[in-house]
Amino acid sequence: GAGVSQSPSNKVTEKGKDVELRCDPISGHTALYWYRQSLGQGLEFLIYFQGNSAPDKSGLPSDRFSAERTGGSVSTLTIQRTQQEDSAVYLCASSLVSGEQYFGPGTRLTVT
Amino acid sequence: QKEVEQNSGPLSVPEGAIASLNCTYSDRGSQSFFWYRQYSGKSPELIMSIYSNGDKEDGRFTAQLNKASQYVSLLIRDSQPSDSATYLCAVNMYGNNRLAFGKGNQVVVIP
Repeated sequence: GAGVSQSPSNKVTEKGKDVELRCDPISGHTALYWYRQSLGQGLEFLIYFQGNSAPDKSGLPSDRFSAERTGGSVSTLTIQRTQQEDSAVYLCASSLVSGEQYFGPGTRLTVT
Repeated sequence: QKEVEQNSGPLSVPEGAIASLNCTYSDRGSQSFFWYRQYSGKSPELIMSIYSNGDKEDGRFTAQLNKASQYVSLLIRDSQPSDSATYLCAVNMYGNNRLAFGKGNQVVVIP
């Protein structure tokens, strides 16, 4: 079946602009996660959605970052007033209620 | 102490040999452990999951878990050039579903 999809695959933006990254999880997966991977750094947890429960936002690095998940499926990660340190690959993953997480191809964000 | 540590530097192994990767974690209450393979420029791909102490084999891969010592390892038997990648250890921390990742170990299989 179809895996996790993300769009866009690449995004170049100017410092100070807002960006939206989209994730479409595997059908039937109730849990959705956002991670960030910076050059030379490990994978960093950002936010976690499970069904209709309140999201776990504990990994968001600043209030410029927000995410929503509509209808229990598609999620959008929004970064406002982007900074150069936001440049990274943003990865989305999904899983069944509690289980193995499967990653999408990622969005490479470059802030100039 | 970092949540998940993978301390070994790049690992070069000849084709056909066994590659051995180790990972330690800080939270004694962790219950779920995963190994991901990441090719350069690609996203992580799940290759193994392990939940109980002992060994779990899947094809040429064997994961080993020792909760008392808080380590998990991955063995790749009969290494192939296609196994050349970075291997990430991941642990479900604090009883929730978020994964904590190690920095990864690069494996290079030499033909």
